[in-house]
Order: sequence, then C-alpha cells, then structure tokens
Amino acid sequence: DSGVTQTPKHLITATGQRVTLRCSPRSGDLSVYWYQQSLDQGLQFLIQYYNGEERAKGNILERFSAQQFPDLHSELNLSSLELGDSALYFCASSVDGRGLYNEQFFGPGTRLTVL
Amino acid sequence: TQLLEQSPQFLSIQEGENLTVYCNSSSVFSSLQWYRQEPGEGPVLLVTVVTGGEVKKLKRLTFQFGDARKDSSLHITAAQPGDTGLYLCAGVRGDYKLSFGAGTTVTVRA
Repeated sequence: DSGVTQTPKHLITATGQRVTLRCSPRSGDLSVYWYQQSLDQGLQFLIQYYNGEERAKGNILERFSAQQFPDLHSELNLSSLELGDSALYFCASSVDGRGLYNEQFFGPGTRLTVL
Repeated sequence: TQLLEQSPQFLSIQEGENLTVYCNSSSVFSSLQWYRQEPGEGPVLLVTVVTGGEVKKLKRLTFQFGDARKDSSLHITAAQPGDTGLYLCAGVRGDYKLSFGAGTTVTVRA
C-alpha cells in the first residue's frame, strides 16, 4: 500500500459525458501528479500540482482539467469523453516534486471505460 | 516518440534464468528510476540512480546507470515467478518531470 488513495476504482460511462476522478496523496506529500496509461501510449504525464498550485503540464487535453484543494487532495475532471479516453488514470504523490530523486508513490488507479 | 526507449518489449523466461532489460535515450538525465507494475496496480518504485556509472543492487536485481547518464539497465539474477511484471524506467531532467519508457513486460515461468 503506497498510501495514495484513488476513487473510484472503476468507472464506466458514455461518450460525451463528464467524470471526476479523485486522489488523496500520502500524508505529508505536497505534490500530486496525474498520469494516463493506455496500451498504445504507455504511461503519459498529464499534470502536476504542488501545494495547490499548478507546477507542470504534460500531454493534457483541453477537455481535461485538474485542481488541488487546500487539504491537498486532487481531482481530475474529464469532459466530452471520447472512446479514446478509455484508459487507466493514475495519481502519484511526492514530498515536494523537486530534486534528483523526486520519488513518486502511485495510487491503485482508476480504470475508465467510455462506451 | 518516447524519450526513453526500452528493450525488449516482452521477455519470457524460465524460473532460474537471468535477464536484462535496457533503457536508452539520446538525452541526458539528472537521475533515472526503475518501477515495477503488476496488473491492476500502480507502479512501485524500485530504485533511483543518480551518478553516471552508478550500480545499485536490490537483492537479485542489479541496476546500472550509464557513464553518460543517457541509459540504464536492469539485470535480474535467477528470476522467480514473483519477478513477473511490467518494468518501467523513468528519467528526471532539469525540469524534474518524469519521462517514462513504454516498459518491458517480463514473464517468469515456473
């Protein structure tokens, strides 16, 4: 158990819909990351937050948005869903998101299926 | 195009055999990490290597960082079925973002 929690575990929805994925980081970690993992793209970095502020952006679509709240939990919002958005979505956390080690601890993931 | 190329993509071996997984790039990394991911779970950090030429051992796993800090390898001695999983390398550059390779799926048959 990494100490990172994600809900829900599974999510099945239809094209055009909007969903929200939730993540609670490890106790004491200030930085949260979101990743998308699909069979053809591998693990892709989406976005990073540090202590409530956006720190880095990766390959995140405009239909996707995220935020980190004062209690440090984070939510990833996916809207106008398409079939290609079906994937595993992982949240990870680290102490500060900097430094050579930048060791990240991953949650169990949310499997999103868009029908 | 992946910044980090992992090879081979798939590896299936018999219990007790040795295996090596490679992670290569044309870019220089400040550090490099190896993760193992099992089906239905998130990646778990195995090791971080920082210095060019560095070698780290974790029981039967040996990790090496290339002298030029552009590549790394993971060697498993006397593999066991419990070593089965997806092995991912990830590089840290100046912006501290992690760039992941596509992974190597290792299957160890009993």
